[in-house]
Amino acid sequence: SQQGEEDPQALSIQEGENATMNCSYKTSINNLQWYRQNSGRGLVHLILIRSNEREKHSGRLRVTLDTSKKSSSLLITASRAADTASYFCAKAAGNQFYFGTGTSLTVIP
Amino acid sequence: GAGVSQSPSNKVTEKGKDVELRCDPISGHTALYWYRQSLGQGLEFLIYFQGNSAPDKSGLPSDRFSAERTGGSVSTLTIQRTQQEDSAVYLCASSLIFEASEQFFGPGTRLTVL
Repeated sequence: SQQGEEDPQALSIQEGENATMNCSYKTSINNLQWYRQNSGRGLVHLILIRSNEREKHSGRLRVTLDTSKKSSSLLITASRAADTASYFCAKAAGNQFYFGTGTSLTVIP
Repeated sequence: GAGVSQSPSNKVTEKGKDVELRCDPISGHTALYWYRQSLGQGLEFLIYFQGNSAPDKSGLPSDRFSAERTGGSVSTLTIQRTQQEDSAVYLCASSLIFEASEQFFGPGTRLTVL
């Protein structure tokens, strides 16, 4: 499959803890993106990291990219209940665009 | 517009009928994408437009599906002879350019085929 694969599929943590989710992919990339989807709502873009970047920050989010391992990770620090959502990595392959299977994160207050 | 809009928000149809879904992207966005999401599942890429042309239509699930974009703006996704397995949320997104910029998603059209 061209899709990225996230792991874990589901993650449950206490509020205040950090959450780490990983994404693996198969083909070379120019960039990789992370999106969030709250239950029953639309997708929101979080971060885009380019292939020549190794790490990128946005607020409590930190994304790393290892092109040699074809993997990326998303770290959410000091999690909040409002972070409960599904998180997807996404990338282009040719003239198509693929989202991974997603990690369902639950942050328990 | 302020964001990506889609219509209708909900569509219930009978098996065998044709449906047309509409997407109005953000003004100035050259790339427009269609995805399908079944309940509890990830996003399935259907097609993307660069301007008015779709470079690759192989993501469309069957020949009952077609899409067009006119004037580099509004796009329609048409499903002919709908089947129950077509039931899903159809999401549209747009971005400044393909791949290298963030996608802005519409609220989706929930299609139910009875």
